[in-house]
Amino acid sequence: SAVISQKPSRDICQRGTSLTIQCQVDSQVTMMFWYRQQPGQSLTLIATANQGSEATYESGFVIDKFPISRPNLTFSTLTVSNMSPEDSSIYLCSAEGTGGPGGELFFGEGSRLTVL
Amino acid sequence: AQKITQTQPGMFVQEKEAVTLDCTYDTSDPSYGLFWYKQPSSGEMIFLIYQGSYDQQNATEGRYSLNFQKARKSANLVISASQLGDSAMYFCAMREGQRGYNKLIFGAGTRLAVHP
Repeated sequence: SAVISQKPSRDICQRGTSLTIQCQVDSQVTMMFWYRQQPGQSLTLIATANQGSEATYESGFVIDKFPISRPNLTFSTLTVSNMSPEDSSIYLCSAEGTGGPGGELFFGEGSRLTVL
Repeated sequence: AQKITQTQPGMFVQEKEAVTLDCTYDTSDPSYGLFWYKQPSSGEMIFLIYQGSYDQQNATEGRYSLNFQKARKSANLVISASQLGDSAMYFCAMREGQRGYNKLIFGAGTRLAVHP
């Protein structure tokens, strides 16, 4: 398994501001994944972060809005820029575990953002 | 494009009974993995069980088993002897291709309520 720590765990933000979420993994991983979970919804992949290269964004998500850094094999950040109330969600960081046969993803505890 | 479908928004089960949560998927990749996650009200994502597309036998993990019907493209989760602590959201997810480099796509989820 992988232990993933995220911070902040929750925050209340003002419209128009930006917030950076940090994600730390307890082991080196090739890929890290950022998901968004809007209230009452499923998880939607924002982007895949590979160390040493630009993140790969899913349809509907752009780098200007969700810039991602991946400076090393254990750490990544996601910034939510110029926030609006529609960005109120839980943002989850994940990485693949090393023990299981299927490469299941392990998740951080999530960062719950409320934008006023 | 891959797709995961969970047709049951909510399910109820009596404590100690078994329950089946449905999941169908769509992919043209012969190599894929299927996963089930549990999300209690606390919000954490808990990995439950994994089934690989080439696995000959249905996966089992304690009280969880996966009814894998490849020809029908279904991967239903069976929870035996339900407990009150099983009340949560359950998500089915799929990864195309090999582990390590590919994202998980999640279904809409099923909310399970276990009644005493």
